[in-house]
Amino acid sequence: DIVMTQSPLSLSVTPGQPASISCKSSQSLLHTDGQTYLHWYLQKPGQSPQLLIFDVSKRFSGVPDRFSGSGSGTDFTLRISRVEAEDVGIYYCMQGLYFRTFGQGTKVEIK
Amino acid sequence: EVQLVESGGDLVQPGGSLRLSCEASGFTFSDYWMTWVRQAPGRGLECVALIMSDGSNKYYPDSMKGRFTVSRDNAKSSLYLQIHSLRADDTAIYYCVRDVRWGMSDSWGQGTLVTVSS
Repeated sequence: DIVMTQSPLSLSVTPGQPASISCKSSQSLLHTDGQTYLHWYLQKPGQSPQLLIFDVSKRFSGVPDRFSGSGSGTDFTLRISRVEAEDVGIYYCMQGLYFRTFGQGTKVEIK
Repeated sequence: EVQLVESGGDLVQPGGSLRLSCEASGFTFSDYWMTWVRQAPGRGLECVALIMSDGSNKYYPDSMKGRFTVSRDNAKSSLYLQIHSLRADDTAIYYCVRDVRWGMSDSWGQGTLVTVSS
């Protein structure tokens, strides 16, 4: 099984400041089709998870451009350029190459 | 608008069985693979089953094989999850999730709560 490891597990950010979350996979997520099957989800308090970023760096429909994703192979990063109050919640990375597994989640809160 | 509405969650005794349902609307259900994902209280997310658009192939993580059965009825735009021999660690919210392709989910239902306790 592919293991997904996120860090940090919690983050307290001042509004307007940037934030960064790391996600590492135990195996490369590069598919033979050339895509890398690494996606990011946000679960806001009391809600279901929602897709933010797919294929490492593509923003899903309606996702603000302050969210960006980067990385390759086994190392990935989600960045929020300027955190807003509505960004609080738990962020999960997920690999979709071999079935699917999620990272442990990173809880983001506002200072 | 894509809507996924789960039902069937309940308080069940250990060893019991349960069938969860998910009714889909707002899209052509038969065109999409579907997944069940669960979240234990205060825990992360865990995929429990995946089914192809025509129901011909199903996938389960090794830890779920044997007790979980996913199925669908495309005529009713419905997805199902049968769970047998329920254990306390099956206690979780079970989400119905739409896949836009292998390994990528874009829409989630609100979930249904399964509690396993005597």
